[in-house]
Amino acid sequence: GENVEQHPSTLSVQEGDSAVIKCTYSDSASNYFPWYKQELGKRPQLIIDIRSNVGEKKDQRIAVTLNKTAKHFSLHITETQPEDSAVYFCAASKGSNYQLIWGAGTKLIIKP
Amino acid sequence: NAGVTQTPKFRVLKTGQSMTLLCAQDMNHEYMYWYRQDPGMGLRLIHYSVGEGTTAKGEVPDGYNVSRLKKQNFLLGLESAAPSQTSVYFCASRYEGRVTEAFFGQGTRLTVV
Repeated sequence: GENVEQHPSTLSVQEGDSAVIKCTYSDSASNYFPWYKQELGKRPQLIIDIRSNVGEKKDQRIAVTLNKTAKHFSLHITETQPEDSAVYFCAASKGSNYQLIWGAGTKLIIKP
Repeated sequence: NAGVTQTPKFRVLKTGQSMTLLCAQDMNHEYMYWYRQDPGMGLRLIHYSVGEGTTAKGEVPDGYNVSRLKKQNFLLGLESAAPSQTSVYFCASRYEGRVTEAFFGQGTRLTVV
């Protein structure tokens, strides 16, 4: 079955700097890769997603890149702000049933 | 428009007790999911449903049962709770037919002592 690995588990960056979180997946048939942000005690919320027919997608300060050959995808956050502090999860899925397989999460800490 | 609502928000059970978690969505979504989230781990799929009257197993279905008698409700049951089922449970739903955003409930924190 699918396995998703996420690194690093904790990332601390200075406010204003960029943050990069990386995920690898094992199933080459996976075709949908969302990123979720979860604040402490809150529900996960989708921040960006990418499908396998696209190599890169941007939304303001957030971007996701996908390398299907290497089976990895990354989240890039530029000009980080204190409100970016949260746990970020990557996930992968295939087919129409949307059975997401999640990474273990990255705790992003933005230092003032 | 409440979105996805989970009941209850918190619960403490004794080992061997049973309980049912309710997930209700008012978005007319076909697909519904139950996940559990443990410390230091991502969400893991317990069971899911692709429509009223249907259910299927996810990654970690043992010890849980589900029912989808009405389209808007997805119930998760624990027949005999175990300490290993201490977790935060999230319900999610989404539209059928295309891979798109799943909407999550606010979570249920369950402790089994």
